[in-house]
Amino acid sequence: EAQVTQNPRYLITVTGKKLTVTCSQNMNHEYMSWYRQDPGLGLRQIYYSMNVEVTDKGDVPEGYKVSRKEKRNFPLILESPSPNQTSLYFCASSFEASYGYTFGSGTRLTVV
Amino acid sequence: GENVEQHPSTLSVQEGDSAVIKCTYSDSASNYFPWYKQELGKRPQLIIDIRSNVGEKKDQRIAVTLNKTAKHFSLHITETQPEDSAVYFCAASIRAGTALIFGKGTTLSVSS
Repeated sequence: EAQVTQNPRYLITVTGKKLTVTCSQNMNHEYMSWYRQDPGLGLRQIYYSMNVEVTDKGDVPEGYKVSRKEKRNFPLILESPSPNQTSLYFCASSFEASYGYTFGSGTRLTVV
Repeated sequence: GENVEQHPSTLSVQEGDSAVIKCTYSDSASNYFPWYKQELGKRPQLIIDIRSNVGEKKDQRIAVTLNKTAKHFSLHITETQPEDSAVYFCAASIRAGTALIFGKGTTLSVSS
């Protein structure tokens, strides 16, 4: 089944404790992206990747890191999480940036 | 850069009525306009999209129209049903290879 898999689905952590949210797709998509969703603010792009080893900042990259060492994986790293990073995170992939995205199931992160 | 405005932010209709959600975009070079539906607690899913060389596209009860001159596009849902209740996001992409910019979403409630 074609899908984007995110893990974990839920995560509660403490301020400053490094964490990684994994994202994997099995559709051989070139393009992958991370979004955060907050009430009233819609979907805001954090980082995106056009291909392996090619990443760039989105609209809200501060406090986040990404890497794209393999085509299928695009992990989101929070080196020192803060409470303002409490949000719902979605990974998405597509054949290209301006094409229909397939979203993962989401990761609800709470930083206390 | 591109900016996408979406209206209304909330919309309540009676079952069987039609619902219309409108989006405007700022960059006349935008050429791809998808719509996503997000049910409560779930991921956004692509429901319909349109490219700039097409003025209208239909898929059963949903349709999207594009007015390039006025730089706006709309989602039309006819004969609404309770299962249409969700948050709907519009998006726009300037050109191939650039990321989608999302509107802030419209919460549609269909009451029976």
